[in-house]
Amino acid sequence: AQKVTQAQTEISVVEKEDVTLDCVYETRDTTYYLFWYKQPPSGELVFLIRRNSFDEQNEISGRYSWNFQKSTSSFNFTITASQVVDSAVYFCALLWTGNQFYFGTGTSLTVIP
Amino acid sequence: GAGVSQSPRYKVAKRGQDVALRCDPISGHVSLFWYQQALGQGPEFLTYFQNEAQLDKSGLPSDRFFAERPEGSVSTLKIQRTQQEDSAVYLCASSFREGTYEQYFGPGTRLTVT
Repeated sequence: AQKVTQAQTEISVVEKEDVTLDCVYETRDTTYYLFWYKQPPSGELVFLIRRNSFDEQNEISGRYSWNFQKSTSSFNFTITASQVVDSAVYFCALLWTGNQFYFGTGTSLTVIP
Repeated sequence: GAGVSQSPRYKVAKRGQDVALRCDPISGHVSLFWYQQALGQGPEFLTYFQNEAQLDKSGLPSDRFFAERPEGSVSTLKIQRTQQEDSAVYLCASSFREGTYEQYFGPGTRLTVT
């Protein structure tokens, strides 16, 4: 079975703090893709990153970084020096084959000024 | 427009009514997807089109749900005899090539069934 778990339902941090959003996935396939999406209050899902199962290199994009570890089936997302504009719900998603995304239940991040 | 658009943005229906939700994908995008997002949950896959062909409808929760994309561009999701459990945000996404990969999402239609 395919499954994505985001154990953190809500997180609050003070502006400029670093925050890590956890994502644990389950799949029997050796080929799969992992994604992170941001959903601001406007409701539109914004693509942040895609990784395939054969590429375990961590990635950094500005204040965002992602840590992919197959050994622990985790794909965690860190925001450095958080800003109020980072407040949103963040979803981790798994694509294993075909066209079906499996989304986690999301983590609601609130950055307090 | 440059992005995926959906209409209406909000819809209130009385139980038993039929509704139609529209999605305008990004021009030239081959793939189109519908998702249902219940309150406090992640989006759940409903159906997938490649051009006008509906290749996967395994996520449609019942035969009251029907989707079409007759000319390979605009898509309509129709829900017949709406029930309260149909209340959710319905998201549409499009992708420029076959398969999913980088999907661009619309703002969604929030359906409330009273």
